[in-house]
Amino acid sequence: NAGVTQTPKFQVLKTGQSMTLQCAQDMNHEYMSWYRQDPGMGLRLIHYSVGAGITDQGEVPNGYNVSRSTTEDFPLRLLSAAPSQTSVYFCASSYSTAGSGNTIYFGEGSWLTVV
Amino acid sequence: AQSVTQLDSHVSVSEGTPVLLRCNYSSSYSPSLFWYVQHPNKGLQLLLKYTSAATLVKGINGFEAEFKKSETSFHLTKPSAHMSDAAEYFCVVTLGGGGFKTIFGAGTRLFVKA
Repeated sequence: NAGVTQTPKFQVLKTGQSMTLQCAQDMNHEYMSWYRQDPGMGLRLIHYSVGAGITDQGEVPNGYNVSRSTTEDFPLRLLSAAPSQTSVYFCASSYSTAGSGNTIYFGEGSWLTVV
Repeated sequence: AQSVTQLDSHVSVSEGTPVLLRCNYSSSYSPSLFWYVQHPNKGLQLLLKYTSAATLVKGINGFEAEFKKSETSFHLTKPSAHMSDAAEYFCVVTLGGGGFKTIFGAGTRLFVKA
């Protein structure tokens, strides 16, 4: 099982550049999300999706766009990179089983540096 | 408001001694509670989860956690630490059902001394 696959693993961007972090899952999960991880702050939710064609903002959405055209894919776009977006990004997916905890499956992470 | 507090940012133990990582939560709903582990430069891996069944939950690699509603706690324990347990651990609360809200603790870094 591939699970949740993120690319690229490492990326260096110049301020003002744009880029897309790719995320794909092969578990037919309805829910997908993007988090950023910064030292001492745990994981913070950027955007999430409850199904194809449906997205919503999380805790820290500014500077990022997402789309969900298929169940499998959930790309994260940085519109105009800023040094404050230097972080580790995690894509995640989960089932939508009502009445029980939604176990979240994480990708391996994407290390992004904006210079 | 819902929140998760991991009471220690760092915990240091000697190999072979018990591990205790503390987590308290605040939730207006019946929560589901998780512990995840993150090894350096890796993603998060599920250790165990509580979803309103048995209050003592056993996970992978010898870890377990006990849900105590009266104390709003979900502490993670292991009887005997191994060097490979050195990692960062996250306590997580999710509100399932029709919604999707996940709250992460700030993490606890576990150091294991030889």
